[in-house]
Amino acid sequence: SQTIHQWPATLVQPVGSPLSLECTVEGTSNPNLYWYRQAAGRGLQLLFYSVGIGQISSEVPQNLSASRPQDRQFILSSKKLLLSDSGFYLCAWRRGQGSNQPQHFGDGTRLSIL
Amino acid sequence: AQSVTQLGSHVSVSEGALVLLRCNYSSSVPPYLFWYVQYPNQGLQLLLKYTTGATLVKGINGFEAEFKKSETSFHLTKPSAHMSDAAEYFCAVSEASGTYKYIFGTGTRLKVLA
Repeated sequence: SQTIHQWPATLVQPVGSPLSLECTVEGTSNPNLYWYRQAAGRGLQLLFYSVGIGQISSEVPQNLSASRPQDRQFILSSKKLLLSDSGFYLCAWRRGQGSNQPQHFGDGTRLSIL
Repeated sequence: AQSVTQLGSHVSVSEGALVLLRCNYSSSVPPYLFWYVQYPNQGLQLLLKYTTGATLVKGINGFEAEFKKSETSFHLTKPSAHMSDAAEYFCAVSEASGTYKYIFGTGTRLKVLA
């Protein structure tokens, strides 16, 4: 069966510090991968998605970036965090073929910026 | 552009009462439709999905949803609410044309009263 891992579960960072959140998927190959942010009391905002190694599509211009160095690894980064980067970050995957496939989510990372 | 509307950001029901969470979408072609549930500080869990075939779809935890093309709706129901159903529910749409992205509604927070 397939599993998705996100870490860390919680993170407290000062403004201006760097960020690296990691997501890995097991039990499947060539998945589509996604990063979402969920601000308090709001819905999901798609940040990035990837359909293959090194292929990243950005949905929202901001100080965040994403990378996919391996087939089942997806990393969200920032060089300098802003207060507005606080939120709940979710990684998701789905099978590579067919938009009828559901997305499957990790347990999320709660990021607080001080 | 594709959009998803969830009427009612907060819904309260008594334990044992019918749960009805509304979802309407806008699409020029029949989409693929999904319902997810999110418990506090957790990721999203797939409840059910409609792709093709039978328009009444049964999911986990006793939930079901009916795809009504004429009404562009995919409402989520459960005959009898349980305290454990208290959570946030998201409707999502994926166009059948091969997109990698999903459009999520803004969510409905369900409260179950004892």
